[in-house]
This record gives sequence, structure tokens and C-alpha cells, in this order.
Amino acid sequence: EAQVTQNPRYLITVTGKKLTVTCSQNMNHEYMSWYRQDPGLGLRQIYYSMNVEVTDKGDVPEGYKVSRKEKRNFPLILESPSPNQTSLYFCASGLTGTSWNEQYFGPGTRLTVT
Amino acid sequence: SQQGEEDPQALSIQEGENATMNCSYKTSINNLQWYRQNSGRGLVHLILIRSNEREKHSGRLRVTLDTSKKSSSLLITASRAADTASYFCATGGWGAQKLVFGQGTRLTINP
Repeated sequence: EAQVTQNPRYLITVTGKKLTVTCSQNMNHEYMSWYRQDPGLGLRQIYYSMNVEVTDKGDVPEGYKVSRKEKRNFPLILESPSPNQTSLYFCASGLTGTSWNEQYFGPGTRLTVT
Repeated sequence: SQQGEEDPQALSIQEGENATMNCSYKTSINNLQWYRQNSGRGLVHLILIRSNEREKHSGRLRVTLDTSKKSSSLLITASRAADTASYFCATGGWGAQKLVFGQGTRLTINP
């Protein structure tokens, strides 16, 4: 089944404790991205990747890191989480190295930073 | 930056009725997409319309795009309880490698 998976689905952590949210897709997509969704602010792009070893900042990259060592994986790293990073996070992938195609979204990771 | 603005923010109709949601955007686009999100879950792609297209259909969905007015509409015909969800428009710009989402319309279908 074609899908985007994220882990963990729910995470409660404390300020400053490094964490990684994994994202994996099985559709051989070149394009992958991360979004956060907050009430009243909608979905905002954090980082995106057009292919392996090619990443770039989205609208709200501060406090996040990403890497794209393999085509299928695009982990989101929070080196020192803060409460303002409490949010619902989505990973997405698309066929080509642009956002010009439909995006497939993962089920989301609900992160709470206390 | 939020490019898509959706109207209305919330819509409640009876099952069987048609639902229309509107989206406006600010800059030149390559394509406009509509997504559905059930409460707190992942987004599901519904339909994509390119900037050189004016109308597109998919099952009970009809999307129009007016690039001169920088607006789009999503029509869901013969609504069902399972259509209850939030609907988002998202725009893809020329050269910009991201989708910019609107705030969404919360649709409730009453049985």
C-alpha cells in the first residue's frame, strides 16, 4: 500500500530534550516536506527536500533540522525543543522534485513540549 | 505566509444538499489543490487544477479556477455524513517549492 508513515504518532517531552520524528514513504517520491499545523495559523511549511541531499527552508524553519540521506526517509530533528514547538506535525511527499503534484500526507505526529 | 483564504470558515448543511467553499489567493500560481482533513488526522488530496484549466470534476467534486480573480471554488454535490471534515485549498507557485495552505473551511453534514 502506498503510504507515508510517521513515528511517533504522539510524543510528550520536556524542554531541551532532543528528539527526532521519522518520516518514510514507499512511493519512490523525489519531493518530501514537513509542515506544522496550529490553530488559527493553519499549515505552515518547515522544510522541504527536492531529492536526496537537497533540502531547503520553508516558512518556519527556526528550531528544526532535517536530513535526506535516502530517498524514502526525511526525519525532522528538534535539537532543543521549546514549548512553542508544541504542534501537530505532518510529513508529505510528492512525485517529482517540485510541489506541482498532489502531495501524500502522513497521519501526523502530535508533539507536546512541557 | 498564508496565501489561500477560504470562505466560509464554517459551513453546516443537511445531508443531500450541495456544499460550496471558496478560496482566494494573492500571487501567480502554477496549480491549486484541494485537500480534506478529518479531525486531527492527515490530509487527503482531493483534486488538482492547473493554472491553464478553468474547471475540473472528480466524482461528486467540481472545482473551478478563475485566475483573473485569483479565486477557486469547490463544490461537493449530494453531500453525505462522511463528507464532514475540514477542507483546505493549497496553491503551488511558479518556482516556489512549497504549497501554501489556506485556513480551511470546516464542513458539517447533518443527517
